[in-house]
Amino acid sequence: DTEVTQTPKHLVMGMTNKKSLKCEQHMGHRAMYWYKQKAKKPPELMFVYSYEKLSINESVPSRFSPECPNSSLLNLHLHALQPEDSALYLCASSQAENTEAFFGQGTRLTVV
Amino acid sequence: SQKIEQNSEALNIQEGKTATLTCNYTNYSPAYLQWYRQDPGRGPVFLLLIRENEKEKRKERLKVTFDTTLKQSLFHITASQPADSATYLCALDGTGGFKTIFGAGTRLFVKA
Repeated sequence: DTEVTQTPKHLVMGMTNKKSLKCEQHMGHRAMYWYKQKAKKPPELMFVYSYEKLSINESVPSRFSPECPNSSLLNLHLHALQPEDSALYLCASSQAENTEAFFGQGTRLTVV
Repeated sequence: SQKIEQNSEALNIQEGKTATLTCNYTNYSPAYLQWYRQDPGRGPVFLLLIRENEKEKRKERLKVTFDTTLKQSLFHITASQPADSATYLCALDGTGGFKTIFGAGTRLFVKA
C-alpha cells in the first residue's frame, strides 16, 4: 500500500466553524507533513511530525492545530479560519529525511 | 536568502520532442534534489531524487542532472507525449532535515 489518504476531499466552512482534516498512511513512514497550496503556487510547508513528535512548525497561525495520534494518522484541526486560508491542503509522508515524499490527493478547503 | 527558480512558468513543445526543464537555486547547498509531477487539483507525485554526489539519474523516459557548481538541475522528458502535460516541481532540502522546499513549478504542455 503506497497511498496517503486524505479526508474529506472538499470542505466548505464558515469563519466561526471548527473542523478537522484527516490523513492516513500505512507505509510505516516515520515522518508526516502538512502543506498548504494556493492556486498556481508551490506547496508551502506548514508542519512536520517525526516519530509522532512535532519537529517543524513554519510559523503557522494558531488557528491551525496539528495532531499526530499515532504513527499512521495525522490531523489538522481548524478553528476561526479566514477566507484567505482557502487553499488545497496536502498531507505527505516519507520514510526518513532525504527520501521521497508521498502525497495525498489533498483537501480543497473553502472558507466563507 | 535561499531561492529556487524554475526556468519558465510554461513550456510548450511538440509531441515526440524532448522537454527540458531547469531548476536553479541560490544560497543553498542541498544534499539532494527531487522532481515531482502535479496535475491540476491533485497532490504532487514523486518522480526522481538525485543526491549531491550524483551527476545524473534516469528512469524510463526521464533524466535528471545535478550540477552543484552551477547550482542547477535539468529535467528531461524524451519522446514527450500529450499525457506528460502537467506541472513539474523541483524540490530541495531546506535547513533542518525534513524541510523540503518547492520551486514554483513549470507547466508543460505537449501538443499532439
